[in-house]
Amino acid sequence: GAVVSQHPSWVICKSGTSVKIECRSLDFQATTMFWYRQFPKQSLMLMATSNEGSKATYEQGVEKDKFLINHASLTLSTLTVTSAHPEDSSFYICSARLSTGNTEAFFGQGTRLTVV
Amino acid sequence: SQQGEEDPQALSIQEGENATMNCSYKTSINNLQWYRQNSGRGLVHLILIRSNEREKHSGRLRVTLDTSKKSSSLLITASRAADTASYFCATARLTGNQFYFGTGTSLTVIP
Repeated sequence: GAVVSQHPSWVICKSGTSVKIECRSLDFQATTMFWYRQFPKQSLMLMATSNEGSKATYEQGVEKDKFLINHASLTLSTLTVTSAHPEDSSFYICSARLSTGNTEAFFGQGTRLTVV
Repeated sequence: SQQGEEDPQALSIQEGENATMNCSYKTSINNLQWYRQNSGRGLVHLILIRSNEREKHSGRLRVTLDTSKKSSSLLITASRAADTASYFCATARLTGNQFYFGTGTSLTVIP
């Protein structure tokens, strides 16, 4: 299957700092990528849909200014957690689909963010 | 969850037994997919079933879909200890490109 690479795998940062997470589709072009957040022992919550060359679409309740998404190319989307706080500590996962419709989604390995 | 519920939330079985997990969703869908997640790791795609399909098989996996009831089931036959993981259903809606997950089932297979 297609490969989606996420970096870093884990990161620890201080409160008030910003953290950038990268999501790359290695062997295919992804016009759309998705960012999810997962708390321990819970499901994945879709945060936003990242569209190449345009603004991301955020789910209800997700702060746009808090979670900045940039999808500058067909193979790279980034999520920046700005002014991170301990409550932002979570597992962040990106995914990409080859196209719309009846296709599976491919997921990155996830990024464990811990804000201290 | 954003899309639906899964039951049971947790399931513990002996190796060799079958495991059945159910997923219900809220909106009309394009397709439904099942994923597996080992603790603290990314997701692995298991199987996709389209809205016009009712049943699909892949190895020891059997998935059913009932669009009238907005529900799906995942059956793992002859379970192995290595099947221990969390299993999530995810749906692609008819409109938009979003992809939403159910609450998940934590499966433990006891050797």
